[in-house]
Amino acid sequence: DGGITQSPKYLFRKEGQNVTLSCEQNLNHDAMYWYRQDPGQGLRLIYYSQIVNDFQKGDIAEGYSVSREKKESFPLTVTSAQKNPTAFYLCASSSRGASSGVNTGELFFGEGSRLTVL
Amino acid sequence: EDKVVQSPLSLVVHEGDTVTLNCSYEVTNFRSLLWYKQEKKAPTFLFMLTSSGIEKKSGRLSSILDKKELFSILNITATQTGDSAVYLCAVHYGGSQGNLIFGKGTKLSVKP
Repeated sequence: DGGITQSPKYLFRKEGQNVTLSCEQNLNHDAMYWYRQDPGQGLRLIYYSQIVNDFQKGDIAEGYSVSREKKESFPLTVTSAQKNPTAFYLCASSSRGASSGVNTGELFFGEGSRLTVL
Repeated sequence: EDKVVQSPLSLVVHEGDTVTLNCSYEVTNFRSLLWYKQEKKAPTFLFMLTSSGIEKKSGRLSSILDKKELFSILNITATQTGDSAVYLCAVHYGGSQGNLIFGKGTKLSVKP
C-alpha cells in the first residue's frame, strides 16, 4: 500500500544527544515536509524539500537539519542545539497537480514520531 | 504577517448536536484552503476549497469558503463520538510552489 512511514513512533533521548527521525514515502511525491506539533500550537513547519538534493528552512528550522538524497526519503535530525526538542513530529508529502505541475497543497501525513528528551 | 485563525479552540457537544467550526485567514496570493481531521496521530484530509460559495460535502460533514470575507466553515451534523478529534485548517498560498500555513486547530469532544 502507498503511504508515508515514520520511525520510530516513540523515542526517548538524553539532553545533548542528536537524534534522527526517519521518513519514507512510496507515493512518488516530489515534495516532503517536516512539521512539529506542540499542544495548542498547531503544526509548525521545520523544513521542506521540493526536489531531491534541495531543501529549504521553514518557520522553526533552528536546531534541526535534514537531507534529501533520495526522492523517497527525508530524514530529520534533531540536534543538541534545539532548545525544546520534546514534541510530536509529523512528516508529510505532496504531489504536483497533473495539469499545472504546481504543488496542490494537499498533504499526506505519516503517523508521527513522539520525541521525549529527558 | 500571514496567518490562519481557528475558532473555537475547543468545543464539547453531545451526540446528535450540530457543530460549526470556523477558520479565518490573512495571506498573500491565496490558492486553496484545506481541512484535516486529526484523531490521534496522522491528520487525514477532509476537504480542499478553492472557490467561494461552493459547498463541499462528505456524509455529515460539509464545508464552504468565502474568499471575500476570508473565512471558511466546517459543519458537522448529527455528531457522533467518532467525530471527536482535532480539526485543522490550513491555507495554501504564495508564489512558485506556494506555502502552507496551519491554524492551531479546534479540539472537538462529542459526549455520548
